[in-house]
Amino acid sequence: NAGVTQTPKFQVLKTGQSMTLQCAQDMNHEYMSWYRQDPGMGLRLIHYSVGAGITDQGEVPNGYNVSRSTTEDFPLRLLSAAPSQTSVYFCASSTDVDAETQYFGPGTRLLVL
Amino acid sequence: AQTVTQSQPEMSVQEAETVTLSCTYDTSESNYYLFWYKQPPSRQMILVIRQEAYKQQNATENRFSVNFQKAAKSFSLKISDSQLGDTAMYFCAFMKPYNFNKFYFGSGTKLNVKP
Repeated sequence: NAGVTQTPKFQVLKTGQSMTLQCAQDMNHEYMSWYRQDPGMGLRLIHYSVGAGITDQGEVPNGYNVSRSTTEDFPLRLLSAAPSQTSVYFCASSTDVDAETQYFGPGTRLLVL
Repeated sequence: AQTVTQSQPEMSVQEAETVTLSCTYDTSESNYYLFWYKQPPSRQMILVIRQEAYKQQNATENRFSVNFQKAAKSFSLKISDSQLGDTAMYFCAFMKPYNFNKFYFGSGTKLNVKP
């Protein structure tokens, strides 16, 4: 049982490039979320999903796309990276029965030049 | 909208002493959950303690306890017998039940435990 995994751990992008941050969980959790953490700030919700095929926007969705084709995977796509997207990204999952217990991944540090 | 405020950006405490981290929140909800998360240098988010708003009794987990004042919308974390391993960022967070896992986090308090 690996929990929540994220890849890559660290990535450097140039402005305008695209990339996908991967997130996977092996706990059969219905709920999955993406957060970003900027210096001096707490985590802010980007997008979330309550099950395969169902996604919705969080607080800061602009510049990001998500999809949920399987229960296990919840990738986050940056279509055209901007320096303002330099941040640490966390994926989290939980069950609908115990939604208050979130399991966080180890984070992906993204630097956009 | 819910807001969570942590007014102490950084705190220090001597090993074995007690420290209290403050958190206030703003909500019109009557039922909700509050959390304290620890983030060590590894960046892993670790749940320290959680409190359900409808429970009047303050939550306790070993050396960690909270002082939950619902009317004042205050949720402080007390760490007793501080250890070097407690050095980390601590985040206060709010969640409304049945709200599709939407959490609202404070800006964090950096705690330094000194030997």
